[in-house]
Amino acid sequence: DIQMTQSPSSLSASVGDRVTITCRASQSISSHLNWYQQKPGKAPKIVVSSLQSGVPSRFSGSGSGTDFTLTISSLQPEDFATYYCQQSYSIPRTFGQGTKVEIK
Amino acid sequence: EVQLVESGGGLVQPGGSLRLSCAASGFTFSSYWMSWVRQAPGKGLEWVANIKQDGSETYFVDSVKGRFTISRDNTKNSLYLQMNSLRAEDTAVYYCARGGGIFEYWGQGTLVTVSS
Repeated sequence: DIQMTQSPSSLSASVGDRVTITCRASQSISSHLNWYQQKPGKAPKIVVSSLQSGVPSRFSGSGSGTDFTLTISSLQPEDFATYYCQQSYSIPRTFGQGTKVEIK
Repeated sequence: EVQLVESGGGLVQPGGSLRLSCAASGFTFSSYWMSWVRQAPGKGLEWVANIKQDGSETYFVDSVKGRFTISRDNTKNSLYLQMNSLRAEDTAVYYCARGGGIFEYWGQGTLVTVSS
């Protein structure tokens, strides 16, 4: 199974900050990496997929192989949440442990 | 508008069974892989199973193989998860999601609690 490791586990940031979250795969997954946002008590929502649609967004993903990043260009109040990376390269699909983005 | 609505969760004793359902609307259900993803209380996300458009292929995480079955009824736009021999560690919110690898849409989830 492919293990996904995120860092940091949590971070504090202010509205307007640029935020970067890292995800590392235990083996190469090419570019098959997706990011989800989850707010307390709610279902996850996809924010970046490996099939980027080209729609402008403050959320962007980069990387290939084993190292990936999610960048939020200018943090908004509604962006405070937990973020998960997930590989869609092989079965079983696996998620990172999550990164909680909190208000500073 | 894509909608996924899960049902069937509840309290069940260890060793018991439960069948979850997911009603889909707002898209051509028969054209998409579908998945189940779960989240134990206070924990992260865990993919459980997925099923091909016509039901001919199914895949499971090792921890549920032989105990869970995934199925679908394209005439009813519905996805199912039959869970047998339930264990305490299966306690979680179960989400159905559209997609086999990229989970584009999610339901609101249904809570399964396995406890005596």
